[in-house]
Amino acid sequence: KAGVTQTPRYLIKTRGQQVTLSCSPISGHRSVSWYQQTPGQGLQFLFEYFSETQRNKGNFPGRFSGRQFSNSRSEMNVSTLELGDSALYLCASSVGLSNEKLFFGSGTQLSVL
Amino acid sequence: AQTVTQSQPEMSVQEAETVTLSCTYDTSESDYYLFWYKQPPSRQMILVIRQEAYKQQNATENRFSVNFQKAAKSFSLKISDSQLGDAAMYFCAYRTTMNYGGSQGNLIFGKGTKLSVKP
Repeated sequence: KAGVTQTPRYLIKTRGQQVTLSCSPISGHRSVSWYQQTPGQGLQFLFEYFSETQRNKGNFPGRFSGRQFSNSRSEMNVSTLELGDSALYLCASSVGLSNEKLFFGSGTQLSVL
Repeated sequence: AQTVTQSQPEMSVQEAETVTLSCTYDTSESDYYLFWYKQPPSRQMILVIRQEAYKQQNATENRFSVNFQKAAKSFSLKISDSQLGDAAMYFCAYRTTMNYGGSQGNLIFGKGTKLSVKP
């Protein structure tokens, strides 16, 4: 069974641009969560989606948004990029919502210049 | 709000020896999950071990075991017979068991401990 797939693996953008990151969960998994990892702030929760509905949201500005499709694939979007958005963005999937184990992808490394 | 603290930014161990990574947390909840995740250079977060707070028995997974002290809010990871492949960042994480608004709850991570294994 394939693991959690995140694309692209690396991305370079300039300030002010917008970016979309993609996450394909493990087959059969319906819950997808996103985390931001930076050297200064560590790992911080962004969003959680289940059945195309956002179930939980972290403390990030409205420039960060996401969505989930009917096939459970998820995308997150960051508009008006700032230098501080440079980070590793990790996606994790689980079967459902009952305190399931999370399986992480290898992340998308975003650099904002 | 819950917090997770890892007081050791870096640790080093000799191959085949034992090392213990520390983690403390703060919560007012009585039931929750605690995790140790490993992040090698590949960047993928890999679950090492999971502990449910209502279970008294410490979790073990092969060479990995935890010392869970609920009253002290301490959750340390012991790695026995350390191997070169154990070198990685290790993150302690907390998650509530409460289902708020249809959410399974997000992970709250510590800052991590970088483990080096010397041959």
